[in-house]
Amino acid sequence: KAGVTQTPRYLIKTRGQQVTLSCSPISGHRSVSWYQQTPGQGLQFLFEYFSETQRNKGNFPGRFSGRQFSNSRSEMNVSTLELGDSALYLCASSLAGPPTDTQYFGPGTRLTVL
Amino acid sequence: AQSVTQLGSHVSVSEGALVLLRCNYSSSVPPYLFWYVQYPNQGLQLLLKYTSAATLVKGINGFEAEFKKSETSFHLTKPSAHMSDAAEYFCAVSELGSGNTGKLIFGQGTTLQVKP
Repeated sequence: KAGVTQTPRYLIKTRGQQVTLSCSPISGHRSVSWYQQTPGQGLQFLFEYFSETQRNKGNFPGRFSGRQFSNSRSEMNVSTLELGDSALYLCASSLAGPPTDTQYFGPGTRLTVL
Repeated sequence: AQSVTQLGSHVSVSEGALVLLRCNYSSSVPPYLFWYVQYPNQGLQLLLKYTSAATLVKGINGFEAEFKKSETSFHLTKPSAHMSDAAEYFCAVSELGSGNTGKLIFGQGTTLQVKP
């Protein structure tokens, strides 16, 4: 079974631009979660989607948004990029979502904001 | 809110030596606990998961962890370190959110160095 895939793997943007990241979950998984990883803040939860509905949201500004499609693929969008948005963005999928189901992570998208 | 504390941001062991990575959690209810490993430029790989079925949990690559409720700990061990174990290790706890679903709360991570 193919794992979680994320595209693109690397992105370079400038301040003020917006960016869209994509995540394809493991086949059959309906829950997709997004996390931001930075050296200073570590791994922080952004949001979780299940069957096209956002079920949980972390403490991030409204510039961070996401959505999930009927095939469970998910996208996250960051508008008006700031330098501090530079991070590794990780997507994780699971059958029905945390806390009980194991989350499987993709390789991440490395976003650099200049 | 739950939290996870990993003691020691950097641990160095010799090849063949015992690996011990420490994790303490705060939770008022029985938690789901996880250890993940991250190799450079990769995502997180699940090592093992505690779900209250057994206090000693065996994972992949020879790792195991013991849940100790009285100490609110979930330390990760491996009897004999291998060079390929060098990576960053994350302890995580599941926190319940709305609709009986949740999210993972991660510790700050511990970088394991294995010396030849």
